[in-house]
Amino acid sequence: EVQLVESGGGLVQPGGSLRLSCAASGFTFSSYEMNWVRQAPGKGLEWVSYISSSGSTIYYADSVKGRFTISRDNAKNSLYLQMNSLRAEDTAVYYCARVNAYSGSYFDYWGQGTLVTVSS
Amino acid sequence: DIQMTQSPSSLSASVGDRVTITCQASQDISNYLNWYQQKPGKAPKLLIYDASNLETGVPSRFSGSGSGTDFTFTISSLQPEDIATYYCQQYDNLPPRVTFGGGTKVEIK
Repeated sequence: EVQLVESGGGLVQPGGSLRLSCAASGFTFSSYEMNWVRQAPGKGLEWVSYISSSGSTIYYADSVKGRFTISRDNAKNSLYLQMNSLRAEDTAVYYCARVNAYSGSYFDYWGQGTLVTVSS
Repeated sequence: DIQMTQSPSSLSASVGDRVTITCQASQDISNYLNWYQQKPGKAPKLLIYDASNLETGVPSRFSGSGSGTDFTFTISSLQPEDIATYYCQQYDNLPPRVTFGGGTKVEIK
């Protein structure tokens, strides 16, 4: 069974940092592209970042570029999101999501999400 | 960047009703359009991929159609368990970007 489990969320002050993790199981993690998607309280879904299966290709939404860093450790079946210079508008539930291997254009599995709250 | 306009933002319908949601892209996206269901406090769940393909295990009352810029998502007979927010999503590979529609909250009348 495919499972994605996020962790690392919490309360952080503006300007602070946080590192999210996503533990993958039930599939060959190293073969799949992965993404982070977030959802502010009561709002819609917003794509945050993409990483290729090898980690060699990375993209970010303009809203987080220069502040967030996506990475992965295929030996540990884990995806990460390092978030620096956090702002109040980064407050959201952060989901990791797997890209379907055949199509490459949709997310076939999602984690349960981890809440990040940026507040003083 | 491609913009996705989803409508309506909310709707109320009776059990058994046919429900239709539309999603319009700001430019041609071929059939790279997907639909997700999100229930309160839960992660989104893929229902329809590549505009019209039903994900495995999803009830057949859900369907999708369209290509180019105009897409439609339909629930043929609304059930109580379908109460959720539905999102369209497109993928653009030049440069790689993912965009979601604003969502449609479906409620029972």
